[in-house]
Amino acid sequence: EAQVTQNPRYLITVTGKKLTVTCSQNMNHEYMSWYRQDPGLGLRQIYYSMNVEVTDKGDVPEGYKVSRKEKRNFPLILESPSPNQTSLYFCASRSWRAGGGRDTQYFGPGTRLTVL
Amino acid sequence: AQSVTQPDIHITVSEGASLELRCNYSYGATPYLFWYVQSPGQGLQLLLKYFSGDTLVQGIKGFEAEFKRSQSSFNLRKPSVHWSDAAEYFCAVGAPSGNTPLVFGKGTRLSVIA
Repeated sequence: EAQVTQNPRYLITVTGKKLTVTCSQNMNHEYMSWYRQDPGLGLRQIYYSMNVEVTDKGDVPEGYKVSRKEKRNFPLILESPSPNQTSLYFCASRSWRAGGGRDTQYFGPGTRLTVL
Repeated sequence: AQSVTQPDIHITVSEGASLELRCNYSYGATPYLFWYVQSPGQGLQLLLKYFSGDTLVQGIKGFEAEFKRSQSSFNLRKPSVHWSDAAEYFCAVGAPSGNTPLVFGKGTRLSVIA
């Protein structure tokens, strides 16, 4: 079954305590990305990766880091979380190289992060 | 640059009534267009997508959408809404080359009343 998994699903932490949210996909997709979702602001892209070792900033990259050492994994790292990073985070992967009707973006179930 | 506008933040419809959610996009050529649904507490699920060909596309859960190039629109429709359709709906646009991120609208929240 095509799947994007994220862990943890829920996390409460304190300001400044480094954390990592993992993301893994089983579809051999080249493209992966991270979004945050906030009320009234919709989905905003944080970072994306076109392939292994290739990452690029999205619309709201400040305060976040990513890495893409393997095709299936794309962790999101918050080195020093702050309360304004309290949000719902989604990982996604996409089959853009398939082209045409096979270009579909799949989303993970989300990680709800609270930074106190 | 690509952009997507969903003019309606919140829509309320009665169960059994028809539904139309609006989506307008900005893109220089024919884009790839998507509709996603997010049920409360869930991730985003693809409802349908348009790439080329027939401008009326059918999706899951009885939804359809029509691509109108002249109006730069890709409105989502359903003839008879069910209470389980209450959710947030997102329209997205992508480039046919595929090598740029999808751009999402801010979403439309659908409430269904009895």
